[in-house]
Amino acid sequence: AQSVTQLDSQVPVFEEAPVELRCNYSSSVSVYLFWYVQYPNQGLQLLLKYLSGSTLVKGINGFEAEFNKSQTSFHLRKPSVHISDTAEYFCAVSDHLQGAQKLVFGQGTRLTINP
Amino acid sequence: DGGITQSPKYLFRKEGQNVTLSCEQNLNHDAMYWYRQDPGQGLRLIYYSQIVNDFQKGDIAEGYSVSREKKESFPLTVTSAQKNPTAFYLCASSPRIGNSPIVGGEAFFGQGTRLTVV
Repeated sequence: AQSVTQLDSQVPVFEEAPVELRCNYSSSVSVYLFWYVQYPNQGLQLLLKYLSGSTLVKGINGFEAEFNKSQTSFHLRKPSVHISDTAEYFCAVSDHLQGAQKLVFGQGTRLTINP
Repeated sequence: DGGITQSPKYLFRKEGQNVTLSCEQNLNHDAMYWYRQDPGQGLRLIYYSQIVNDFQKGDIAEGYSVSREKKESFPLTVTSAQKNPTAFYLCASSPRIGNSPIVGGEAFFGQGTRLTVV
């Protein structure tokens, strides 16, 4: 079974500083990887996804992630954060169940941006 | 606008009662899902449905039931058998073509329902 580990439950960062949110996965087959963002009391919104091809994936709001197969990682980065980036971030791996796509989520990382 | 609508946003349940959470989508997606979110645990899959009149148990289905009578609707009932129902519930959908999933397709989420047992 696939699993996802987000290594940091909370990450505090100063505004305009760079940030990296770490994600490792375990899978015996090819994977599709996702990062979602959740603002308080809301649903999840897709930031970016890796399906194949270039290992550096760019997403919305200036975020990017790099797929590293040898390290089974998919870390999320942003070179300069803004107060509005304060949210919870979820890494997920796709598992396919007889025609349905099941997303397996990590535990989440709460990103807090301080002025 | 296309999207997923969950209602109500907040729901209070007395112990021993069944309650039903609504999820409606107008994205013409075949697959729909229910997730439960607890602090520090990420999202856990309760039930999913690939097509009308068919659904499958996820990782934590005990104490829950679903139906899929229409493509647009996938209601979740939290029964009295669910011992710890207080949580944030999220509904999602994703597209597929024919008999194959759109591999790596995005899942679209509703805004969630927060259920509290009183």
